[in-house]
Amino acid sequence: GQNIDQPTEMTATEGAIVQINCTYQTSGFNGLFWYQQHAGEAPTFLSYNVLDGLEEKGRFSSFLSRSKGYSYLLLKELQMKDSASYLCAVRENEGGATNKLIFGTGTLLAVQP
Amino acid sequence: DAEITQSPRHKITETGRQVTLACHQTWNHNNMFWYRQDLGHGLRLIHYSYGVHDTNKGEVSDGYSVSRSNTEDLPLTLESAASSQTSVYFCASSEFPSGGPSNEQFFGPGTRLTVL
Repeated sequence: GQNIDQPTEMTATEGAIVQINCTYQTSGFNGLFWYQQHAGEAPTFLSYNVLDGLEEKGRFSSFLSRSKGYSYLLLKELQMKDSASYLCAVRENEGGATNKLIFGTGTLLAVQP
Repeated sequence: DAEITQSPRHKITETGRQVTLACHQTWNHNNMFWYRQDLGHGLRLIHYSYGVHDTNKGEVSDGYSVSRSNTEDLPLTLESAASSQTSVYFCASSEFPSGGPSNEQFFGPGTRLTVL
């Protein structure tokens, strides 16, 4: 089965950098996703990693180490609007149809002035 | 613009009643998913479908059913609503097999269901 762990809450200061970690255990791995979810809204896709290394998208970067079962999401130049929950999700490898996601419980990030 | 919609957005019902939540997407995606989101549990998969007439159970499927009669819709039915099914329900869709390497899921706005 799958097990995904991430911190429940984090606090950071506007303009700073914050790193949100995610560790996972899986019987079959076919990619790791990060989603952002503002309170009362739907999750929205942020990033995807399937190979080891860093993927950069503007202020957001995501890193993956498959051998360690570890990923992090790095948010730079924090803005107040970055206050949200950040969800780590692993895609299971089911052979031909490989699109089922298992989500962690999410990390609630509060950005303070 | 293509989109994914859910209805109703809010629903209050009584224990024992049958409830159906609608999910409609206009992207022509093959894959559709239903999740529930509760504090302390995150998003948990209820049922999913990889195409017309295909349905599969997720990790929390007891008390729920789905049917897929066309590409656009995947309604979720609670056969006999229970208070434990009070939750926020999200529908999602993704394109397979041609969605690119990430093939990310796109989420609907959610339905807040209260069972009294």
